[in-house]
Amino acid sequence: GDSVTQMEGPVTLSEEAFLTINCTYTATGYPSLFWYVQYPGEGLQLLLKATKADDKGSNKGFEATYRKETTSFHLEKGSVQVSDSAVYFCALSDRPDSGGSNYKLTFGKGTLLTVNP
Amino acid sequence: DAGVIQSPRHEVTEMGQEVTLRCKPISGHNSLFWYRQTMMRGLELLIYFNNNVPIDDSGMPEDRFSAKMPNASFSTLKIQPSEPRDSAVYFCASSIRRGLGGNTIYFGEGSWLTVV
Repeated sequence: GDSVTQMEGPVTLSEEAFLTINCTYTATGYPSLFWYVQYPGEGLQLLLKATKADDKGSNKGFEATYRKETTSFHLEKGSVQVSDSAVYFCALSDRPDSGGSNYKLTFGKGTLLTVNP
Repeated sequence: DAGVIQSPRHEVTEMGQEVTLRCKPISGHNSLFWYRQTMMRGLELLIYFNNNVPIDDSGMPEDRFSAKMPNASFSTLKIQPSEPRDSAVYFCASSIRRGLGGNTIYFGEGSWLTVV
């Protein structure tokens, strides 16, 4: 079945440091890939997404590129801020047109990021 | 626009009691998902509806859990009887199912359940 593996946290950085959170996936079809962010006490919010190979999703200074050859979708940000402290989830969604059976999201276990001033 | 609305936001109940969680999806969305989040197991998909019909309930942990979607604007997740191990955050999410381009799933703020 489909699965997502992301680096275990917690990750602790100083403000303005470079961030990478690794994510790799296994899927039967040709999935869409997502990063969601969960701030303390809140629900999940879509951060960015990519729907085909070599697509780059970007939002709020975060980027991730859909790499089909390495089945990866690593999240990066050049300069993190204290306000970026949150849990980040990598996820995939299979698609009927690519051999998947439905649109449900499969999540990784999440990576807690703490950014110190 | 209103997002996915869940109620109650917080609930503390005693073991053995019935718990009902409610969800109003985003207007116009035709897919609805119930997820459970715990520290140990992360985010788990419990059940998924498309056009009010349950499509995949393989994640529902046991018969104590049931979910309904009587119309396009309302869904419930019921636990009867509740047990302490059901303590978790329960998220409802909705999306528009479309053919290409992938779907974006929007989450509610969650219902934080504690069973004592």
